[in-house]
Amino acid sequence: GENVEQHPSTLSVQEGDSAVIKCTYSDSASNYFPWYKQELGKGPQLIIDIRSNVGEKKDQRIAVTLNKTAKHFSLHITETQPEDSAVYFCAASPSNDYKLSFGAGTTVTVRA
Amino acid sequence: DAGVIQSPRHEVTEMGQEVTLRCKPISGHNSLFWYRQTMMRGLELLIYFNNNVPIDDSGMPEDRFSAKMPNASFSTLKIQPSEPRDSAVYFCASSSWGGNTEAFFGQGTRLTVV
Repeated sequence: GENVEQHPSTLSVQEGDSAVIKCTYSDSASNYFPWYKQELGKGPQLIIDIRSNVGEKKDQRIAVTLNKTAKHFSLHITETQPEDSAVYFCAASPSNDYKLSFGAGTTVTVRA
Repeated sequence: DAGVIQSPRHEVTEMGQEVTLRCKPISGHNSLFWYRQTMMRGLELLIYFNNNVPIDDSGMPEDRFSAKMPNASFSTLKIQPSEPRDSAVYFCASSSWGGNTEAFFGQGTRLTVV
């Protein structure tokens, strides 16, 4: 099955700086890569996703890049704000499968 | 739509008791997932339903765990008998199709077994 590894496990950044989280996956059949944000006491919520026919996708301060050859994808948050503090999860899923394999999560703290 | 609704939000029970967690998926979604979240193991998929039919329950830890989906708008996860190691946050999620589309998570049920 799919194995997703996520680094770092914790990340502390100064407000206004950028944050980068990296994930690798094992199954070359995976073609859907979502990122979820989980705030304290809440369920994970999708913030951005990318499919294998796209190398990069942006949504305001958030961007995701995908390198299928190397089997890794990354989340970039620019101009970080205190409300970006949360746990972020990457995930991967093959097109013909229902299973979404999650990384272990990254706790991001934005210092004011 | 109010999103995925789970109840109760918190449950404290004694070891050996039966626990039932409930989930109402988003209307129109045909896929439903139950996840368990712990510090040690992260987010684990317990069971997946498609069109109310259990497709894969390989993530269910033991026979003490069971899940049902009697109709498109309701699912339950039952633990009988409960044990302290079952303490975790249990999430229900639904999507319009499988794992290749956005999954919408509920607020979760925090279960504590003492």
